[in-house]
Amino acid sequence: SAVISQKPSRDICQRGTSLTIQCQVDSQVTMMFWYRQQPGQSLTLIATANQGSEATYESGFVIDKFPISRPNLTFSTLTVSNMSPEDSSIYLCSVLPPGQAEWGEAFFGQGTRLTVV
Amino acid sequence: GQNIDQPTEMTATEGAIVQINCTYQTSGFNGLFWYQQHAGEAPTFLSYNVLDGLEEKGRFSSFLSRSKGYSYLLLKELQMKDSASYLCAVRDSNYQLIWGAGTKLIIKP
Repeated sequence: SAVISQKPSRDICQRGTSLTIQCQVDSQVTMMFWYRQQPGQSLTLIATANQGSEATYESGFVIDKFPISRPNLTFSTLTVSNMSPEDSSIYLCSVLPPGQAEWGEAFFGQGTRLTVV
Repeated sequence: GQNIDQPTEMTATEGAIVQINCTYQTSGFNGLFWYQQHAGEAPTFLSYNVLDGLEEKGRFSSFLSRSKGYSYLLLKELQMKDSASYLCAVRDSNYQLIWGAGTKLIIKP
């Protein structure tokens, strides 16, 4: 398994500003994922962040809006830039634990509840 | 397109049994997962099926039929703490997880 610490747990931000969400894992992991979950909806993958390479973004998400850093195998950040009320959501980081095959279960951080006013 | 369908909400009585269904249409199949998510918390892993049949884990069981694109999660001896959303997710041919919207389970005394 993997223990993931995600910060902040929640924030209220002004539109036009940016928020950086941090995800710290207690072990080295190759693949980290960033999701968005809007109320009553499914998890939507924003991007996959692998250490040493550029993040891979899903359709509808772009690097300018959601820049991601992955400086090492235990840490990643997601920035929500130039926020608007439509960005209000829960943001989750997720990992496949070390030794876990590609088909294994994913583990999640506690989530960041973002409200943009 | 890829699609995962599950009921939006279900209600059951404490001590009873409930079955949450999930149907899927995805580009390839590399396993189906069930997660539990309490309000305001992250999803936690419950079960994994990759072959047809039933997987039992204590009070929870999960069934898969790949030919029918169908799974269910069976919860027995329901407890109040089982009130949560239950998410069905399928790993597709690219090993990406495709998520259902979740089923909110309400347990009544």
